[in-house]
Amino acid sequence: DGGITQSPKYLFRKEGQNVTLSCEQNLNHDAMYWYRQDPGQGLRLIYYSQIVNDFQKGDIAEGYSVSREKKESFPLTVTSAQKNPTAFYLCASSIPGESLNEQFFGPGTRLTVL
Amino acid sequence: KQEVTQIPAALSVPEGENLVLNCSFTDSAIYNLQWFRQDPGKGLTSLLLIQSSQREQTSGRLNASLDKSSGRSTLYIAASQPGDSATYLCAVKLRTGSARQLTFGSGTQLTVLP
Repeated sequence: DGGITQSPKYLFRKEGQNVTLSCEQNLNHDAMYWYRQDPGQGLRLIYYSQIVNDFQKGDIAEGYSVSREKKESFPLTVTSAQKNPTAFYLCASSIPGESLNEQFFGPGTRLTVL
Repeated sequence: KQEVTQIPAALSVPEGENLVLNCSFTDSAIYNLQWFRQDPGKGLTSLLLIQSSQREQTSGRLNASLDKSSGRSTLYIAASQPGDSATYLCAVKLRTGSARQLTFGSGTQLTVLP
């Protein structure tokens, strides 16, 4: 089955710690995205990558970092510099460029800071 | 800056009713508009995608319309069922800018009562 997986489903972090959220896709999509969702709000873009070894900041990149060493993988690190990291994090992928560009989403990771 | 608004934030209807969810956007220069469903604590499932050149898309009991000139889209759900209970989000992709530019509304939480 083709799709996007995220792990872990739930993650707890102590203040001052860095944590890494995993996102893997086997859809052969070039573009991948990370979003943050807070209660009662829409999704806000953190980082995106249109191709391997390239990524761009989204609207709320401060306190986060990413890497794109493989087409299938786009891990997100939440650093200690992120002041309010408790949220639901969603990863997505799509075919880039001016095509249909429909985005497909993973099941999400809920991060809680203790 | 593109802004996407969904009203109402929450809606409760009895089973069997037909209903309409609304989405409005401020910049009419969109490439496409996508409707998603999100179950509690889950990722997003794409329901319908409407290209800017289209007026509507249909899938089963769902029909989405697009009026670019007025900056509005509606999602019509026929003969609602308790299984339709979820949060429905709309997102628009601007015609200009990079491939990442999806802007989300904050969603309408739908409850269908048996």
